[in-house]
Amino acid sequence: EVQLLESGGDLVQPGGSLRLSCAASGFTFSNYAMAWVRQAPGKGLEWVSSIASGGSTSYADSVKGRFTISRDNSKSTVSVQMNSLRAEDTAVYYCARYYCDSRSCYRSYDYWGQGALVTVSS
Amino acid sequence: DIQMTQSPSSLSASVGDRVTITCRASQSISNSLNWYQQKPGKAPNLLIFAASNLQSGVPSRFSGSGSGTDFTLTINSLHPEDFATYFCQQSYSSLVTFGPGTKVDIK
Repeated sequence: EVQLLESGGDLVQPGGSLRLSCAASGFTFSNYAMAWVRQAPGKGLEWVSSIASGGSTSYADSVKGRFTISRDNSKSTVSVQMNSLRAEDTAVYYCARYYCDSRSCYRSYDYWGQGALVTVSS
Repeated sequence: DIQMTQSPSSLSASVGDRVTITCRASQSISNSLNWYQQKPGKAPNLLIFAASNLQSGVPSRFSGSGSGTDFTLTINSLHPEDFATYFCQQSYSSLVTFGPGTKVDIK
């Protein structure tokens, strides 16, 4: 059974830093691209960052230069280091797996974690 | 960035109704469009990928269509468990973007 379990959510002051991690199980982690998607309270979904199976990364403009995504295939984990946090970064952060079938990968997300709440407030 | 819009933003429907939600992209995205269902306090659930492909395990009353800039999610014969918020997502660009969502509630 595929499982994604986020950890690290917390209350942090503006300008502070936080690291979220996502532990994956039930699939060959190294074969899949992974992503972080966030949802501010009562709002829609916002893609944050992705990391390919080979390690190439991409970021939303709203977090570029402040967030860094990484992966450790030996531990089946994906993490995001969040620096210079702002009030507008307050959200539930989901870890998600890219969907692939026998033909292709579709940059859609077939498995999601339960979410980690990040609150940026003084 | 590719902007996504959805209409309506909300709708009220009854069990058994046929529901149609529209998603529009700010530029052509071919068939790189996905649909998700989200219930309160839960993570999103992938329903449709590549515009019209039903994800494994998703009931056949859900269907998707469209290409280019205009897409549709249809739910035939709404079930009680279908009351939720639905999001479209473009995967044409590496900078993924989601639509603002359509909330389907009980009439």
